[in-house]
Amino acid sequence: AQSVTQLDSHVSVSEGTPVLLRCNYSSSYSPSLFWYVQHPNKGLQLLLKYTSAATLVKGINGFEAEFKKSETSFHLTKPSAHMSDAAEYFCVVSDKKDAGGTSYGKLTFGQGTILTVHP
Amino acid sequence: DTAVSQTPKYLVTQMGNDKSIKCEQNLGHDTMYWYKQDSKKFLKIMFSYNNKELIINETVPNRFSPKSPDKAHLNLHINSLELGDSAVYFCASSPWASANTIYFGEGSWLTVV
Repeated sequence: AQSVTQLDSHVSVSEGTPVLLRCNYSSSYSPSLFWYVQHPNKGLQLLLKYTSAATLVKGINGFEAEFKKSETSFHLTKPSAHMSDAAEYFCVVSDKKDAGGTSYGKLTFGQGTILTVHP
Repeated sequence: DTAVSQTPKYLVTQMGNDKSIKCEQNLGHDTMYWYKQDSKKFLKIMFSYNNKELIINETVPNRFSPKSPDKAHLNLHINSLELGDSAVYFCASSPWASANTIYFGEGSWLTVV
């Protein structure tokens, strides 16, 4: 079984300061991990993904995340927040294989973290 | 060109009605999905089809019936709509069951009054 916990429901930062959105996962197999962003009344946009290659993953708009197996974490960071980063962010996990050895492409979403950026 | 397109984007309807949301992908993918985002923004998979065959059905009420006429289309039909069905419904597609390359549509906002 797979699950993901986003440790903060809301994060508030000032423009130009670092962003940290925390995510812990649980997975029976080697997981793939993703961060998606959703702006108000908009669809889902993929920020970045980890699929068992480099543990430090760079995404769009200056975001990056580090896969830490020992801590079962996949925290999202950005060195300097921009007003346009204000949105809801979802950490997502997908087991590569189920018990039968087949991946069905099922994504399990975290509860979301709302990022607010103050001027 | 939109890779995964859903129609309608907004739908307001009365309780008890039957409605459909259509989804089409032009990526040549084998697998299509429906996800539901509830009022608390929680996203959860509902169905997954691969080459018109159902492969994931996540204990969704029988009132929800996906239909895949071909592998490029996965429509969602909902009978006897209830207030609790109000949500955003996202269609998605990927190469054969590959979670690593899932493309989402823009979402369909359904409001049941």
